[in-house]
Amino acid sequence: DQQVKQNSPSLSVQEGRISILNCDYTNSMFDYFLWYKKYPAEGPTFLISISSIKDKNEDGRFTVFLNKSAKHLSLHIVPSQPGDSAVYFCAARTAQKLVFGQGTRLTINP
Amino acid sequence: DTGVSQDPRHKITKRGQNVTFRCDPISEHNRLYWYRQTLGQGPEFLTYFQNEAQLEKSRLLSDRFSAERPKGSFSTLEIQRTEQGDSAMYLCASSPGLATDTQYFGPGTRLTVL
Repeated sequence: DQQVKQNSPSLSVQEGRISILNCDYTNSMFDYFLWYKKYPAEGPTFLISISSIKDKNEDGRFTVFLNKSAKHLSLHIVPSQPGDSAVYFCAARTAQKLVFGQGTRLTINP
Repeated sequence: DTGVSQDPRHKITKRGQNVTFRCDPISEHNRLYWYRQTLGQGPEFLTYFQNEAQLEKSRLLSDRFSAERPKGSFSTLEIQRTEQGDSAMYLCASSPGLATDTQYFGPGTRLTVL
C-alpha cells in the first residue's frame, strides 16, 4: 500500500513563476513531513520540513503547506529558478523511519 | 562537517557474489539509516540504528542482508549471494536524534548485479 503519493510524475514551469508540488498521504500517525530534492547520481538533499501540528513553514523561496484534514502536503517554490530542476520527493515520518512518495520531476524552462 | 559519505559509489558484481557497503554518518549523529531506491520509486526504508543498537528492520531486509554499526560510528551493509533483483541505489542517512531529527542522506552506492 502506497502511504505517500505524488500523483504528478512531472511538472514543467517557466523561470520566475511559482512551482507547486503536491503530495497526499493516508496514515494519520505521521508526525513530520519533509521535502527532499534529488539530482541524478546523488543522494536526496533536505529542503524543508513541517511538523504535523503546524500548517505552514517558510524558508526563503520555499514554503510547505500542510492540510491535515485533507491529508495533503504541498511545496511552493517562488520564484522558480533553473537550478531548481530536479526530482522532488515528499516524505512522511513514523517511528523514526521515512516513507517516501514516488517523486515529481520538476523542469524549469528559461 | 563533511556530510554523510558512502563507499563505494558504484559496485558491479556477478550474481551469487557477496558485497559490502560502508556508510560514515555526520559526526555526532547517533542515528543511522539504510534505504534502498529502485528506478522510478522513492527510497524505501531498510533498517536503522540508535548508536550501535539496530532498532528496526523492514521486511524488505531478507536473511541475505545484514547491517552492523559496531562502535556506533560507521555502518556496513552486507548482501550475501546477490540476486539481480538486488540491483538498486543503496542510501545511507544520519540524524542527530533530536525532536525534529531531520535525516541527511549520503550520495548512495549504486549496485548492479549481472
